[in-house]
Formats: sequence, structure tokens, C-alpha cells
Amino acid sequence: AQKITQTQPGMFVQEKEAVTLDCTYDTSDPSYGLFWYKQPSSGEMIFLIYQGSYDQQNATEGRYSLNFQKARKSANLVISASQLGDSAMYFCAMRGTIWRGNEKLTFGTGTRLTIIP
Amino acid sequence: DGGITQSPKYLFRKEGQNVTLSCEQNLNHDAMYWYRQDPGQGLRLIYYSQIVNDFQKGDIAEGYSVSREKKESFPLTVTSAQKNPTAFYLCASSRAENEQFFGPGTRLTVL
Repeated sequence: AQKITQTQPGMFVQEKEAVTLDCTYDTSDPSYGLFWYKQPSSGEMIFLIYQGSYDQQNATEGRYSLNFQKARKSANLVISASQLGDSAMYFCAMRGTIWRGNEKLTFGTGTRLTIIP
Repeated sequence: DGGITQSPKYLFRKEGQNVTLSCEQNLNHDAMYWYRQDPGQGLRLIYYSQIVNDFQKGDIAEGYSVSREKKESFPLTVTSAQKNPTAFYLCASSRAENEQFFGPGTRLTVL
């Protein structure tokens, strides 16, 4: 079974500061994928970044980077130079090994990020 | 434009009624998914389909049914057997191990 834990229900961050959203995971799959999604108040889930368990380097996408520490089973999202538009719910999700049929995503409970002007 | 559409955006249902939520994608994705989201919660998987005419139960399939007669379409029926159907429903699609793309969601309220 897979499990995602997000321990920060809410965070308040000053505009232009960097922010780290925590995510830890648990799985017995030999290979897996980790995803971060953003959910604004409109409700739609927006894909931000992906990290494969065998990727040698941490993933980056513009202002988003993923701090992947495999031994600690953590996949924290880092947002640099936060903007007011970053205010939203953020979900960490995991997918298991495809060839085992574990392509389903398991989601954490989310972190509500509020950027303060 | 390629994407996923869900309709209706808001849906009201009387107790004891079945309702069907629509999900259509033109991304040519093989896999499609239905999730339920309750206030302040993450997403929970209801059903998923990896190929036409095939689908599997997710973690909370009881009280729901689906069909996958076309690659583009994956409708979800919320039956009267679902005891607490008021929630936000999200449909998604993906290619194999790639990221899932989500529709805008349907908010279902039972009156």
C-alpha cells in the first residue's frame, strides 16, 4: 500500500519569499513517481512537477523545484520568489510501479498556502 | 484546444435519484480516472479505466458505476446506493506513467 503524508495543513508566507511544502511517502514498490499539484479556489487540479524514483537529479520547473531525498522518503516542493497567485491548496501524490499495475495516484491531504502581500 | 471537459459544473440531486456526470477528453489518452474530493480533504479514487471497455474499482467504488464505451468518454453514475454523495468530483486522464490531467470538476449537492 502507498501512503502520502502532508503535515502542514496551512502556511502563511510573505510575498517574494521562498516556501517549502513538506511531503513524505511510504511504499514497497521498487520504482515510483511523485507529483505535485496545485488547486486554486476554482477547483481544477494543475500539474506542477514530477520526480521519478530513479531520477538522478531533483526536478525543476520554473519557480518550482522538488527536493527529493529518497533515503528519507521525502519529496518536498520548493517555490522560489512566491507570488500572490501562488495562494492555493497544494497536493503531493504518488504513483507506484506501472508494470505492477500500480499506476493509480495516491494523494495526500494537502497544504493550504496563503501568500501575504 | 486539447483538454478535459466535465459537465455539468453544478448538479443538484434529490435523495433516491441516480445522476450521471459527464467526462470527455480529446487528448487521445488511454487512461481515465474519477476522483471524489470532500471539503478539506485530498482526492480519493472512485474508478479508473486503462482501455476502452475495461475499468477497475478504486478505493471508494461503492454506490458508483462507470462505463467506457469510447476512448474519449468516461461517464460516472452516482446511484441512490451512495449514502453521502455530496462532494466535488474530478475526472482525469493520462498516458501510461505520465502525469494526469484534470477537468474542471463537478460539484454535486444532494437536497
